[in-house]
Amino acid sequence: GAVVSQHPSWVICKSGTSVKIECRSLDFQATTMFWYRQFPKQSLMLMATSNEGSKATYEQGVEKDKFLINHASLTLSTLTVTSAHPEDSSFYICSARDGSPAVQGYGYTFGSGTRLTVV
Amino acid sequence: KQEVTQIPAALSVPEGENLVLNCSFTDSAIYNLQWFRQDPGKGLTSLLLIQSSQREQTSGRLNASLDKSSGRSTLYIAASQPGDSATYLCAVMNSGNTPLVFGKGTRLSVIA
Repeated sequence: GAVVSQHPSWVICKSGTSVKIECRSLDFQATTMFWYRQFPKQSLMLMATSNEGSKATYEQGVEKDKFLINHASLTLSTLTVTSAHPEDSSFYICSARDGSPAVQGYGYTFGSGTRLTVV
Repeated sequence: KQEVTQIPAALSVPEGENLVLNCSFTDSAIYNLQWFRQDPGKGLTSLLLIQSSQREQTSGRLNASLDKSSGRSTLYIAASQPGDSATYLCAVMNSGNTPLVFGKGTRLSVIA
């Protein structure tokens, strides 16, 4: 089945530094990947849609200059949290869908998530 | 705008009980609906996917139903076990390649 790998699983960084999170589709190509954020005891909130070869689409209220998304290949999307602050501490998770005709109807597969703590 | 609601928010049951988790969505024109399990601090595990043309899906002790016209889905867990303790999330996809819209989840505790 479709597998999405996300790294790192957790990271602690100092306030003001930048952190990059990688999301890879291991056995399928994903022209579109999604990035979500989840605060404690809350549900997943969509941050942005990552499109291979073009600019990401950000949800209202999400700063595109702070959360840089790069989707340079069909199997890799990265989220960089720039100038991180303690309020950016959260659980970040990506998802992708194998949209190839052979597997139509498959749902979304999620990465294992990244716990970011900014101190 | 699609909104997904899950009831109850939390549920505690003794081991062995059968239970039902509820999910409702405001826009019935969905592409599919997916149930996930999330353990604390972990990612999401897909449990069941129901296409808009389907009425139910089964996997082991899990059965998910979909009534698209009324905007509802249920997840039935038979003979619950302590290992079933987790948060269960319901999510809908409005069309082919759009992101999932999630409910807030039901936090399930199965007591041995």
